[in-house]
Amino acid sequence: KQEVTQIPAALSVPEGENLVLNCSFTDSAIYNLQWFRQDPGKGLTSLLLIQSSQREQTSGRLNASLDKSSGRSTLYIAASQPGDSATYLCAASSGAGSYQLTFGKGTKLSVIP
Amino acid sequence: EAGVAQSPRYKIIEKRQSVAFWCNPISGHATLYWYQQILGQGPKLLIQFQNNGVVDDSQLPKDRFSAERLKGVDSTLKIQPAKLEDSAVYLCASSLGGRDYGYTFGSGTRLTVV
Repeated sequence: KQEVTQIPAALSVPEGENLVLNCSFTDSAIYNLQWFRQDPGKGLTSLLLIQSSQREQTSGRLNASLDKSSGRSTLYIAASQPGDSATYLCAASSGAGSYQLTFGKGTKLSVIP
Repeated sequence: EAGVAQSPRYKIIEKRQSVAFWCNPISGHATLYWYQQILGQGPKLLIQFQNNGVVDDSQLPKDRFSAERLKGVDSTLKIQPAKLEDSAVYLCASSLGGRDYGYTFGSGTRLTVV
């Protein structure tokens, strides 16, 4: 059974700082790994999807890496802004042909102006 | 393209009452998922549909929860009777299906059972 862990549970940084969010998963037989953003009271917004054959994906100030062999992914946010404040969730896609997502509990990020 | 639509946005009911949630996925998305997100937790899969067939409902509490996806498009999730521990956000997501495609989530329905 896939288990996903995110560290830290919460993070507070001053505006402009670069930061890294960590995600680990127990079963390396994943199809892909996705990072989502969740604002309070809202649904999930997809940020980045990394296929199992890829090492990283970039979108604007966001960069996600994947190391399947060690069961780890990181989300790097450059030059953080107050608007980046949200909960960030990682999810691993696995399950024989069913491509189900298993989520971590998330990291709550606060960027202080 | 239009996103995943869910309704209602909020619902408050008393325990032992019944409630239903509705989801309209993105047009053409064959795969539909219902997730339950308890406060402070990551979403947990309840049921997965492929077109109008169930792929996985192993984590659905079938004594009180039911779901259907008629004609392979819209889906409803029902709870009857509700318990206090069912208080959560219920998220619907859809996907084209397959390893190369991500999920699109709706805004969710926040259920409070009192």
